[in-house]
Amino acid sequence: SQKIEQNSEALNIQEGKTATLTCNYTNYSPAYLQWYRQDPGRGPVFLLLIRENEKEKRKERLKVTFDTTLKQSLFHITASQPADSATYLCALPPNTGNQFYFGTGTSLTVIP
Amino acid sequence: KAGVTQTPRYLIKTRGQQVTLSCSPISGHRSVSWYQQTPGQGLQFLFEYFSETQRNKGNFPGRFSGRQFSNSRSEMNVSTLELGDSALYLCASSYLSGIQETQYFGPGTRLLVL
Repeated sequence: SQKIEQNSEALNIQEGKTATLTCNYTNYSPAYLQWYRQDPGRGPVFLLLIRENEKEKRKERLKVTFDTTLKQSLFHITASQPADSATYLCALPPNTGNQFYFGTGTSLTVIP
Repeated sequence: KAGVTQTPRYLIKTRGQQVTLSCSPISGHRSVSWYQQTPGQGLQFLFEYFSETQRNKGNFPGRFSGRQFSNSRSEMNVSTLELGDSALYLCASSYLSGIQETQYFGPGTRLLVL
């Protein structure tokens, strides 16, 4: 089955700095990869999708990279703000079945 | 479009009881997936339905079951509740656009088993 690892369960950074979250996966080569944000007690919210032929994708202060050779995606939040504090999940689309695979998430805290 | 809705939002049950949770997907979405989320465990896949058919099932005991209706609304049922069933239950609807599919989650149902 698919295995997804996200770097350290918790990440604390100072406001204004860039947060970098890592997602590593094994077992297959997905056509795309997604990042979601989850706030406590709420469902995850889709943020970004990056395709296998895209090296980098940007959306406002968010940047995602996708290295299919390393089987790794990096998620960056530049000029971080306390409002960015949340858990961020990476997700891979279904392979042979119809099941999405989610990482356990990285809890980001931006300190004012 | 309205988002994914889940009812009820909060539920308290006792061991041995059963519970039914409901999910209404985004209009036009035919796929509905269910997840269990507990602290430290991440999103654990329960099952996925498409056009009233269960296409995939996660590694959960038979006490967990679900179904989907012709209007794509879905329910999941947990029988003989155990303390360990306390969790946030999330449903997500999705549609396939080309080869890309994105899941849209509801707010979840928080189940507490006493």
